[in-house]
Amino acid sequence: RKEVEQDPGPFNVPEGATVAFNCTYSNSASQSFFWYRQDCRKEPKLLMSVYSSGNEDGRFTAQLNRASQYISLLIRDSKLSDSATYLCVVNILVTGANNLFFGTGTRLTVIP
Amino acid sequence: IAGITQAPTSQILAAGRRMTLRCTQDMRHNAMYWYRQDLGLGLRLIHYSNTAGTTGKGEVPDGYSVSRANTDDFPLTLASAVPSQTSVYFCASSDSWTANQPQHFGDGTRLSIL
Repeated sequence: RKEVEQDPGPFNVPEGATVAFNCTYSNSASQSFFWYRQDCRKEPKLLMSVYSSGNEDGRFTAQLNRASQYISLLIRDSKLSDSATYLCVVNILVTGANNLFFGTGTRLTVIP
Repeated sequence: IAGITQAPTSQILAAGRRMTLRCTQDMRHNAMYWYRQDLGLGLRLIHYSNTAGTTGKGEVPDGYSVSRANTDDFPLTLASAVPSQTSVYFCASSDSWTANQPQHFGDGTRLSIL
């Protein structure tokens, strides 16, 4: 079983739409959670950390449900520039290592 | 501009050859990592280093070795390349190895083994 599971998409949405991505993780010992963004043929870049109380950064809202082992990312008022692959990432501290486990990503295309 | 530099950007290599991928960071980050990214599998950790002088194995370490002689450099070596090592390789770093530390990635190295 994969540590992190994501719906691969693709999600094709019009500009201005609201879109939500979901992610589940299998290890209850997971300690930290992140969303990364990866543009085609580029490196992953940190979008936002995910905190237990939920957090917002502009048009982006991340939520964590530890009981259900579930993470979500909501994007409001989608822009063309939001088109990318969004990676759900979970940190499991294993024997003194900062092990990040990545989902395979959800691809988003925002259409004019 | 501060960040992580990887070299080469891309490489085509004959099977059986030895290859070292270079990674240098100028952020004085203590921890560094090597990942490979394959279609449908996402990024997988190969090796990591929590601090200069120490290294550890990740999820897919076989066929790869690393060294961490100083804080800035973390080269990845394929002793005898095989076609299954064709992938995109990303080097990353974080301020420390503890939880809650996001990782910052280099631009990647596209490696093709023929």
